[in-house]
Amino acid sequence: DQQVKQNSPSLSVQEGRISILNCDYTNSMFDYFLWYKKYPAEGPTFLISISSIKDKNEDGRFTVFLNKSAKHLSLHIVPSQPGDSAVYFCAASASGNTGKLIFGQGTTLQVKP
Amino acid sequence: DSGVTQTPKHLITATGQRVTLRCSPRSGDLSVYWYQQSLDQGLQFLIQYYNGEERAKGNILERFSAQQFPDLHSELNLSSLELGDSALYFCASSAGTHTEAFFGQGTRLTVV
Repeated sequence: DQQVKQNSPSLSVQEGRISILNCDYTNSMFDYFLWYKKYPAEGPTFLISISSIKDKNEDGRFTVFLNKSAKHLSLHIVPSQPGDSAVYFCAASASGNTGKLIFGQGTTLQVKP
Repeated sequence: DSGVTQTPKHLITATGQRVTLRCSPRSGDLSVYWYQQSLDQGLQFLIQYYNGEERAKGNILERFSAQQFPDLHSELNLSSLELGDSALYFCASSAGTHTEAFFGQGTRLTVV
């Protein structure tokens, strides 16, 4: 049972343009969402998070949008840079839970110069 | 540098063997999580410890076990290894719930 889904295995964008990565979830108990970036041979690195009481959170070039009714979140990267090329994981945590994160399958982003 | 240290980085062993993966969490973090990433898969939650006690269990095989010691470092023990256990094993730590978890660089286990 895949509670967090990233339906696009890969995405390719031109440098300077916007990258939009999508994530869907099924568990209505999830109330905290995170995005991680992962380079080869490294561990995931935290990027940005959002609580379910918000619908948007921004940090520099990264913005996460949450649509609770659709159980959907997205990560926008503007402008995209070649160094952003990595695998991006969406993760979710449920209230009253232990803090464990449930991850999606990941989306490989390639930003072309 | 996330502050989470995992050793060893690489491990090659034969089927049927037993290995121990080690994790030192960030200073002050009481929670330690273990995740498995098989080829082209997402990160699968295995188990969580909080201040020495098991807090949550995921899809962890009975052949696998873990513990967290008084100094808060954690070990993941994998026994009777099979070819399908070949994967990246990540440790993460966090200060509490609803905060980001910080990941180590992982241990790449290859079972031959």
